[in-house]
Amino acid sequence: DTGVSQDPRHKITKRGQNVTFRCDPISEHNRLYWYRQTLGQGPEFLTYFQNEAQLEKSRLLSDRFSAERPKGSFSTLEIQRTEQGDSAMYLCASSVQGENIQYFGAGTRLSVL
Amino acid sequence: AQTVTQSQPEMSVQEAETVTLSCTYDTSESDYYLFWYKQPPSRQMILVIRQEAYKQQNATENRFSVNFQKAAKSFSLKISDSQLGDAAMYFCASAGGTSYGKLTFGQGTILTVHP
Repeated sequence: DTGVSQDPRHKITKRGQNVTFRCDPISEHNRLYWYRQTLGQGPEFLTYFQNEAQLEKSRLLSDRFSAERPKGSFSTLEIQRTEQGDSAMYLCASSVQGENIQYFGAGTRLSVL
Repeated sequence: AQTVTQSQPEMSVQEAETVTLSCTYDTSESDYYLFWYKQPPSRQMILVIRQEAYKQQNATENRFSVNFQKAAKSFSLKISDSQLGDAAMYFCASAGGTSYGKLTFGQGTILTVHP
């Protein structure tokens, strides 16, 4: 068990570019969550998957954001036409249904120039 | 809807001393869970301790314990015998029991441990 893995760890992009992040949860964890954390703040919920189904999206997730978990294993989070306000740490977490303990990855830090 | 408030942006403690971090919350759910997570600088967030709201007994994990006051909607974390490795950002969080475990976090408290 290698824990929750996120790739890349850091991403620098220019405003208007598209970026994609990947999250590999702990194997056999059927729940997967994405959060966004800005500097000095607590993480904010973005979206949640149970297996391959995306069951909730936060109002924070504008139309430029899309997340997938095609086979119920890894997940991707794509941001289209990035804006400077998208600069943040994007955290992924996974859990087992009924356990209520989330295990976090190290995050992907996005900087939009 | 759930809200979590941490009113102490920063706290400090001497090594081997005890420190208490404060947290208040609000929720419309009758069944919920409360958590303290630790986020060391540039490292991933890890769970420190969890409390199930229906349990009256305060949770304890080694040097970490909580004071859960359900009526007051208060959930403080006590760290005994503080160690240098305890230095981190600490987040209080809640999750509704009837949902799928989506976490609502407070703003965090930076804990500094002085040798």
